Amino acid sequence: QVQLVQSGAEVKMPGASVKVSCKTSGYTFTNYYIHWVRQAPGQGLEWMGIIDPSGDLTSYAQKFQGRATMTRDTSTSTVYMELSSLRSEDTAVYYCARGWIAAGGYFDYWGQGTLVTVSS
Amino acid sequence: DIQMTQSPSSLSASVGDRVTITCRASQSISSYLNWYQQKPGKAPKLLIYVASSLQSGVPSRFSGSGSGTDFTLTISSLQPEDFATYYCQQSYSTPYIFGQGTKLEIK
Repeated sequence: QVQLVQSGAEVKMPGASVKVSCKTSGYTFTNYYIHWVRQAPGQGLEWMGIIDPSGDLTSYAQKFQGRATMTRDTSTSTVYMELSSLRSEDTAVYYCARGWIAAGGYFDYWGQGTLVTVSS
Repeated sequence: DIQMTQSPSSLSASVGDRVTITCRASQSISSYLNWYQQKPGKAPKLLIYVASSLQSGVPSRFSGSGSGTDFTLTISSLQPEDFATYYCQQSYSTPYIFGQGTKLEIK
């Protein structure tokens, strides 16, 4: 069965970086995109960006350009999202989600979420 | 960027009610509109994709319609497990923006 399993919760100081992993299984890793979505406490869903695991191509929301970096390791079918220069407003649950390349681009499987807390 | 506006932002309803949530895109997105359900502390769950296709395993009381800029999610007969927050999302072009959400509460 398809699974996306994310790394555990993190607590970071302002100005630091965090790297969240998303290990996939149960499907061909390079046949689907991976998206990252975050949700601040009590808020809605915010799309951060996308990575194409087949070619390492990425696209980021304007808000995260220069601060977010998405990478992949095809040997372990794992995608990573690193966010730098953290501030308190980055406190959120970060989700990875599998996205269809064709037929609508929707997100059919999600990771369980990783809580990142930014606090001094 | 394509903006997504959902209404209402919250809704109170009773078990057995028929409810409709609307989503409007700031420009045409053809049928590239998806609906997700999220319960507290859980990841979102895909309900409807490309406006009207029911995701496998989702009960048939959920349905979606629309194209262009106006879309609806309908729950034909609310069940206790349907009380949650619902989000629309466009997948026409990046950034794949979500609506602000509709919180469905028990009356």
